[in-house]
Amino acid sequence: NAGVTQTPKFQVLKTGQSMTLQCAQDMNHEYMSWYRQDPGMGLRLIHYSVGAGITDQGEVPNGYNVSRSTTEDFPLRLLSAAPSQTSVYFCASSYSWALNQETQYFGPGTRLLVL
Amino acid sequence: GENVEQHPSTLSVQEGDSAVIKCTYSDSASNYFPWYKQELGKRPQLIIDIRSNVGEKKDQRIAVTLNKTAKHFSLHITETQPEDSAVYFCAAGQGGKLIFGQGTELSVKP
Repeated sequence: NAGVTQTPKFQVLKTGQSMTLQCAQDMNHEYMSWYRQDPGMGLRLIHYSVGAGITDQGEVPNGYNVSRSTTEDFPLRLLSAAPSQTSVYFCASSYSWALNQETQYFGPGTRLLVL
Repeated sequence: GENVEQHPSTLSVQEGDSAVIKCTYSDSASNYFPWYKQELGKRPQLIIDIRSNVGEKKDQRIAVTLNKTAKHFSLHITETQPEDSAVYFCAAGQGGKLIFGQGTELSVKP
């Protein structure tokens, strides 16, 4: 298994540009989440999904959209990038919450710089 | 909304000493409490977790305690080693939604 994969590893955007951060997992995990990590701020939850077709907002959802059309993929869309969205983005997945399988496995991260 | 507070933000100990990191959470519905270790430039990795029906869990030099009434939980690392130096995060959540603390940078001096 490749686990949780994220692309790209690094991206530079100009203010106002849009882009999609890709996240995929091959472990048949139901739950997937997106976090951003800024110095001194820890990991902040952007959006999460409890299964295909179901998404919900986290702590900092503004400026980001998600969809979950398949179990494997959970892309994060920036509609109009702003310098405040400069951060490291982590995707994570877990098998199930109800079956004591809550362990979240993280992807390698995407480093985003918005100029 | 839900909130997780973590203290201290930095912790420096001598090799062989113990380290304790404390977290409090606001959502009484939280039922899962993991701890993650993150080395510089790498992804967070789970080191231990505890569920709401358990008060304490131990794995070799690492232990976690949970007080649901007070809504706080702690990480204890005994006999610290230089390779324990990293940033540690607590988290609390339920139903697929995890909220993380701000992190503790642990430095173990040889």
